[in-house]
Formats: sequence, structure tokens, C-alpha cells
Amino acid sequence: QMTQSPSSVSASVGARVTITCRASQDINSWLGWYQQKPGKAPRFLMYSGSILEDGVPSRFSGRGSGTEFTLTISKLQAEDSATYYCQQANSFPLTFGGGTNVEIK
Amino acid sequence: EVQLVESGGDLVQPGGSLRLSCAASGFTFSQYEMNWVRQAPGKGLEWVSYISTSGGSIYYAESVKGRFTISRDNAKNSLYLQMNGLTVADTAVYYCARDCGTTSCYTPHFDIWGQGTMVTVSS
Repeated sequence: QMTQSPSSVSASVGARVTITCRASQDINSWLGWYQQKPGKAPRFLMYSGSILEDGVPSRFSGRGSGTEFTLTISKLQAEDSATYYCQQANSFPLTFGGGTNVEIK
Repeated sequence: EVQLVESGGDLVQPGGSLRLSCAASGFTFSQYEMNWVRQAPGKGLEWVSYISTSGGSIYYAESVKGRFTISRDNAKNSLYLQMNGLTVADTAVYYCARDCGTTSCYTPHFDIWGQGTMVTVSS
């Protein structure tokens, strides 16, 4: 089971935003992050906890291993307004966190 | 262009059946594992099922086990999801998603997604 916090965050452009994802058991570094905008399919951002997919801006970064992981947006941009999901890939069934809605103030 | 296009979503009565299809293009379909992921209205993402490149390895979420069947036809570059015994709880947008686990991202993650197809279960 994956638990994300906070469920929602509001921040200004240029701010630093951090989202936490906790696993109910050790998942090594097998964690991915996704970004989803309203009415759109999710976009794959990152895998192995910290490796950015091609094309993902460097203001996105990830850290963690074991049971606790973070996704940080270093300088929030207007286009980063979205819901972010973590996903464990350590074992089946694959599971997602509940999501974190990032809103721009 | 790498693309996944789902089809087959519809309004169906509880207890009914539906078959979803996903047409892949722009990449060598037979070299990728594939998944179905769903999202109920206003809710989060839920992984539904996984199939290996040959179809020899398959996994399901507990919520659909025994009711849904995933399959693929590599000659037709297509992925399928046969859904039987549908309930209201199965109402969702169903996404077809390419798995990058054995090609670039080490473990099962979803690097390419379709636009989704809506399944509504209601009387």
C-alpha cells in the first residue's frame, strides 16, 4: 500500500514543493512518479525513485529508498499544476498512491 | 509517433460483458509488456492487469481477478481486456499503458499511455 501526503498543496510560482510517498513495506528503490492534468492521461516522470524520464524538466527531482520517497519541484511553474501519483514496482499487484493535487496560488 | 489507441468502452448493465481493445503503433509492440490501468470518475489511478511480451506471464488486481482476462495479439499489434460480470465499481476510464520494465526502467512502470476509453456500468 502506498500513502501520499499531502493530498493537496497550494504554492506560488517559483516556490519549492515536496510530495511524500510512503510504502507499507520495503520496496527498495522501485518507485515511479506520474503527473496527470485534468482530462488527460498520466505522464511518466521518473523511475527508480530518482531517474528522470527523457524530456522531464530538471526542476523535478526524486529521492528515497525503502519505504519513504519524495518528489520535489524546485521552482514551481504554472504548467506544473496537476495531480501527482507515486507507483511501486517492487511486486505485483502494482499499486499507486492516492495522489497529490498541486495548485498554483 | 509512438501511440496507443483504446476502443470498446460503452454503457453496459451490471452483470454484462465488454471487450476493450488497444491498438499500438510507432514501436515494436511484441518487445514490450503491456498493462491496463483504470481511473474511476474523480478518483485515483488503479492498476488492473499486466501481460508479458509472449502472454506467458499475466497478473491481475484482486478486484478483477476471475472476471477480467487480458490478452494480446502481437501480429496485430493489439492488446485486449475481456471484462465479464461487470459491476458499478468497474465504472472508469480504462487506459492501455506500455511497460518499460525490461527495456529502460528496470521494473514495471508505464511510460506510454493511451487516451483512455470510458466504461460505464449502470442499469
